[in-house]
Amino acid sequence: AQSVTQPDIHITVSEGASLELRCNYSYGATPYLFWYVQSPGQGLQLLLKYFSGDTLVQGIKGFEAEFKRSQSSFNLRKPSVHWSDAAEYFCAGRSNDYKLSFGAGTTVTVRA
Amino acid sequence: ETGVTQTPRHLVMGMTNKKSLKCEQHLGHNAMYWYKQSAKKPLELMFVYNFKEQTENNSVPSRFSPECPNSSHLFLHLHTLQPEDSALYLCASSRVAGGQETQYFGPGTRLLVL
Repeated sequence: AQSVTQPDIHITVSEGASLELRCNYSYGATPYLFWYVQSPGQGLQLLLKYFSGDTLVQGIKGFEAEFKRSQSSFNLRKPSVHWSDAAEYFCAGRSNDYKLSFGAGTTVTVRA
Repeated sequence: ETGVTQTPRHLVMGMTNKKSLKCEQHLGHNAMYWYKQSAKKPLELMFVYNFKEQTENNSVPSRFSPECPNSSHLFLHLHTLQPEDSALYLCASSRVAGGQETQYFGPGTRLLVL
């Protein structure tokens, strides 16, 4: 089945440290891939997306993600986290139809 | 963000009540979606409307009834719900564009069924 998987349920990181969130996909062809962030009580905000081309994608809030076909991964990174980055992060993927498949999410806690 | 708005933001209803959730998009999109987000579960796609036509009903119980009167508005009518229907209901919209489309989400309606 076509899907995305987020192996980490919860990550704790110190403020100012780097962050990497993992996402693996399972699609026959190159999928369209997305990262969304959800703050408590809020909807999902798009951080970045990959359709084709440059495999390193820049997003909002200082986030970037790298598409690696050889590893079937689309990991999200930020070089220096801020306390406001504490949230739940969702990886999502889609083939040529409109149906987004979401990972289970990774909760990020930022400690001072 | 105000591209996709949802009202109400919070709703408490009894199992015999009838209520409706409203979603409005101001992005000029032509597809709209309802998702259910329950605790500890991945987002579940419920319904899809493409150019006002329902193109997806993901085995959703009939106590949930969607309505899309135009490409900017989407409703979810609720009746005789169960406590397990308590969840965050998210609306999203997108512009259908040959595959390279992106869904944008509203803030959600937090529903509690007593």
